[in-house]
Amino acid sequence: DVQLVESGGGLVQPGGSLRLSCVGSGFTFSSYWMHWVRQDPRKGLEWISRINKDGSSTTYPESVKGRFTISRDNAQNTLFLQMHSLRAEDTAVYYCARELVVSGIVYFAMDVWGQGTTVTVSS
Amino acid sequence: SFVLTQPPSVSVAPGQTARITCGGDNIGSKRVHWYQQRPGQAPVLVVYEDGDRPSGIPERFSGSNFGNTATLTISRVDAGDEADYYCQVWDGSADHYVFGTGTRVTVL
Repeated sequence: DVQLVESGGGLVQPGGSLRLSCVGSGFTFSSYWMHWVRQDPRKGLEWISRINKDGSSTTYPESVKGRFTISRDNAQNTLFLQMHSLRAEDTAVYYCARELVVSGIVYFAMDVWGQGTTVTVSS
Repeated sequence: SFVLTQPPSVSVAPGQTARITCGGDNIGSKRVHWYQQRPGQAPVLVVYEDGDRPSGIPERFSGSNFGNTATLTISRVDAGDEADYYCQVWDGSADHYVFGTGTRVTVL
């Protein structure tokens, strides 16, 4: 079975840091771009980062740029999200997701999602 | 940044057809993807590239995209279709992914 499993969420104080992990299985992890997407119930889904297959290229929206860093360890089939300077508005469920690729074509969509890990930023 | 607007809610009787719209400036020039999210679960891709279905998604799910509006159509709706639905595009000018505001589908 193709699967993504996130971990690392928890309660953190404003200004603090946290690192999330996502382990992939059932597919060749190193062959796919990967994403982090978060969900605040009040705001719906928000894409927050993407990394290419070998980790050499990343992209972020302005809401997290400079505070969050996406990275990966293909030898361990693991995706990471390092979060610094956390704010109350970063409170959300964080999902990792796989980029959709069909017959070698990238579709700029996400076809496999983990179950999410919850991050709460509060004093 | 590119903005995608969806109606907050759509209600439909069982067996009828639900249509969920996603509005954006000249969205017809982009490729739209749709996700279903049941309560307490992760999103599931149900339509990609405007109207293609991933393996395992019923033919009841279809999509279209023209002008300033993309539409997800769910035919012969049943209780299992009750969920939140999100549209999504890739904004190539910024290399960012954008989600719509989401629509809750209620089966009456």
